[in-house]
Amino acid sequence: GAVVSQHPSWVICKSGTSVKIECRSLDFQATTMFWYRQFPKQSLMLMATSNEGSKATYEQGVEKDKFLINHASLTLSTLTVTSAHPEDSSFYICSARGPVSEAFFGQGTRLTVV
Amino acid sequence: AQSVTQLGSHVSVSEGALVLLRCNYSSSVPPYLFWYVQYPNQGLQLLLKYTSAATLVKGINGFEAEFKKSETSFHLTKPSAHMSDAAEYFCAVSDKGGYQKVTFGTGTKLQVIP
Repeated sequence: GAVVSQHPSWVICKSGTSVKIECRSLDFQATTMFWYRQFPKQSLMLMATSNEGSKATYEQGVEKDKFLINHASLTLSTLTVTSAHPEDSSFYICSARGPVSEAFFGQGTRLTVV
Repeated sequence: AQSVTQLGSHVSVSEGALVLLRCNYSSSVPPYLFWYVQYPNQGLQLLLKYTSAATLVKGINGFEAEFKKSETSFHLTKPSAHMSDAAEYFCAVSDKGGYQKVTFGTGTKLQVIP
């Protein structure tokens, strides 16, 4: 299947700083990318959906000013956690799909805010 | 709107025994159904998917699932468990041809006992 690369795989940052997570589709054009958050021992919760060149659509309860999503090209989307706090520590996973394809998932990013 | 319910957050089986992970879905339109596997601190890997073709779907690693509309079920099975099957498994549903956002179940952690 298609490959989605997520970077970094893990990151530790200080409280109050911002962290950027990248999601790249390596061998296909991702017209839509999804960002999920997974708390320990829980399922994946969709945070937002982004279409290339458009503003992201956030799910209810997700702060768009805190979780900035950019989908500037057909192969790259970024999630920036701004002014991170310990409660933002989580596992973040992106997925990407083409115009007529299913979604493929990245390997995830473990964020720890200290 | 669609949703999936996974019965049993933890399942333990002996090595060589049958694996059965249960999933029931709710969807107002013909669903696309998926099973994903997640190993610790990793992203999701697609095991198999149902896309309105054959009701018995074969996936990777010897897993298969049967779509039963009358029971609104899509249970995952494997005839003989292997130690390497120990992981968390997520059932998921998507509408509109599988091209829209994917809604996940709460996951089932599979333990394989030697």
